[in-house]
This record gives sequence, C-alpha cells and structure tokens, in this order.
Amino acid sequence: KQEVTQIPAALSVPEGENLVLNCSFTDSAIYNLQWFRQDPGKGLTSLLLIQSSQREQTSGRLNASLDKSSGRSTLYIAASQPGDSATYLCAVRPIAGGTSYGKLTFGQGTILTVHP
Amino acid sequence: DAGVTQSPTHLIKTRGQQVTLRCSPKSGHDTVSWYQQALGQGPQFIFQYYEEEERQRGNFPDRFSGHQFPNYSSELNVNALLLGDSALYLCASSLFRRDRKNEKLFFGSGTQLSVL
Repeated sequence: KQEVTQIPAALSVPEGENLVLNCSFTDSAIYNLQWFRQDPGKGLTSLLLIQSSQREQTSGRLNASLDKSSGRSTLYIAASQPGDSATYLCAVRPIAGGTSYGKLTFGQGTILTVHP
Repeated sequence: DAGVTQSPTHLIKTRGQQVTLRCSPKSGHDTVSWYQQALGQGPQFIFQYYEEEERQRGNFPDRFSGHQFPNYSSELNVNALLLGDSALYLCASSLFRRDRKNEKLFFGSGTQLSVL
C-alpha cells in the first residue's frame, strides 16, 4: 500500500528565507508526483508536476525535485513571501495496471507560515 | 472560462441523514473525481466517474455513492451520515487521455460538511 509522508508538519519562517519541504513515498512504482498548494478552507492548486522520468521541475521561485528510487521529493521555495503562507501537499499517481489513473495518494501536508 | 464549481459551499446535517453534493467540471472536461479531506489530513480518494460510470473506487463504504450526468456534472451522495463523515469534500475534473498518467486534475473549492 502506497503511503506518502510529509516533513515537517508545520514550518514558520521570516520573509525572504529560502526553505525546503520534504515528501517521501513508500512505493516507487509511480507515474508522477505533484505538489499542490491549499489555502484555508479552499481547494487545491497544482504547483508543479514531475513525471517519473524527470528529476526536477521549476516554476518561478519554486523548484521541485524527484528521486524515485529513494522515494523522495523536495519542494524548494526561494525568497519566501507572506503570500506563500498556505498548506503544501504532495501527491503521487501510482502504477497499478490500468485502473489507478484517476487516483492520487496524498501526504498530510506541511503548513507554512511566512511572517513579515 | 469557469473552473470546477461545487455546491453548496457549507452544509450542516445530523447523524443518520442523507446528503447530496454537486460538482460541475471545468469546461471541456469529461471526468470527475471525488476526494474527502478530514481536518489536518490530506485528501482521500473516494471514486472517479467517466462516461457516466464509476471507473475506480477508494476504500469507502457503500454509503458513499455517486452519479455522473450526460453534461459531465456529478453528484456525491452519502447515506446514514456518521460524525466521522464531517470533512471537506473536493471535486476534481480532468479531460480523459488514453495516456491517463499525464492527466492533470483541477480541483474545486470544496463543500464543507459538518455532521452533528
């Protein structure tokens, strides 16, 4: 059974600091891994999607890496801003025949607070 | 271009009652997935609908059922509500691709269900 774990559960940093969020998964048989952002009481916004054959993806101040063999991914946020405050979730799309395409397995999230 | 819309945004029910949640997918999308997110947890996959049929299901009891209409909108029904069903229910839509591993999900803002 695929399990996804995110560390730390919560993180508080001053504005301008660079930070790293961690995600680990137990089964390396995945198609891809996604990082999402969720604001309080809201839905999920996709930030970055990394295919299993890729090592990293970048979008603006965000950089996500993937080491499928070790079951790890990191999300790097450069020059953090108060507007980055949110919950960050990682999710994997498992490989299991032809029936798992619709299912994402999520971690529990990291609550990020960036204070001025 | 409207994104994924869900209704209602908030709902309060009592134990034993039944509830129906609604989702309209993003324009051009034909597949709808439902997720349950308990407080402080990552979303859990409930099921996915495509071509008006349930295509895949997570570990949820039969009290959870759904439907997809010809216009691709979807409903989630929960019978005999339990206190533990209190959660944010998220709908995600996508466009079917034969290579479904690259399918990108777009999430709605969710319905917050409270069971008293």
